Amino acid sequence: KNQVEQSPQSLIILEGKNCTLQCNYTVSPFSNLRWYKQDTGRGPVSLTIMTFSENTKSNGRYTATLDADTKQSSLHITASQLSDSASYICVVRANTNAGKSTFGDGTTLTVKP
Amino acid sequence: NAGVTQTPKFQVLKTGQSMTLQCAQDMNHEYMSWYRQDPGMGLRLIHYSVGAGITDQGEVPNGYNVSRSTTEDFPLRLLSAAPSQTSVYFCASSIPPLRRGGQNTGELFFGEGSRLTVL
Repeated sequence: KNQVEQSPQSLIILEGKNCTLQCNYTVSPFSNLRWYKQDTGRGPVSLTIMTFSENTKSNGRYTATLDADTKQSSLHITASQLSDSASYICVVRANTNAGKSTFGDGTTLTVKP
Repeated sequence: NAGVTQTPKFQVLKTGQSMTLQCAQDMNHEYMSWYRQDPGMGLRLIHYSVGAGITDQGEVPNGYNVSRSTTEDFPLRLLSAAPSQTSVYFCASSIPPLRRGGQNTGELFFGEGSRLTVL
């Protein structure tokens, strides 16, 4: 069964600090991996998308990495801001079933002043 | 640029009542889907559609019906609401992954969610 596991489940950091969120997956054959940010009460919004041939991608203070061999991804947030407080969801799509993706349970990040 | 629009944002139902959650997108996306999100759990796929006239079941389809008469609209129907259907529902759309200039992305664009409470 295709699975996506995220860790930690929740994380609290001080404003200005860096943090790294982890995503391990068993989805195969692999198509792409996406990180989404979901603010409280809002829909998820895409941060980064990586395909098999990409091992790092940045979006401002967000940098995602992908190791397709070990089936691991990380999302690094640099110089955190209060607005980074949200749930971060890892989504992996298999290169088979049209449109179906496997979602992780998310990591809830709280940035405190 | 409206993107994906869901209505209503909030709804309270009594057990056994029926209702329809509306979803519309103005990006000409062929793929649309419905998810539910429960506390401590990831988004779970209810139903999806790869184009007008085509629908299929996702991971948790029981108690829900969908139809896709147009590219723009993908309503989700609850025929007889149950307390277990209390959740936040998200509609999403995307370009079919293999058609985006060769890039196999399938990025999902989500609506803002519909919070449903069944008493």
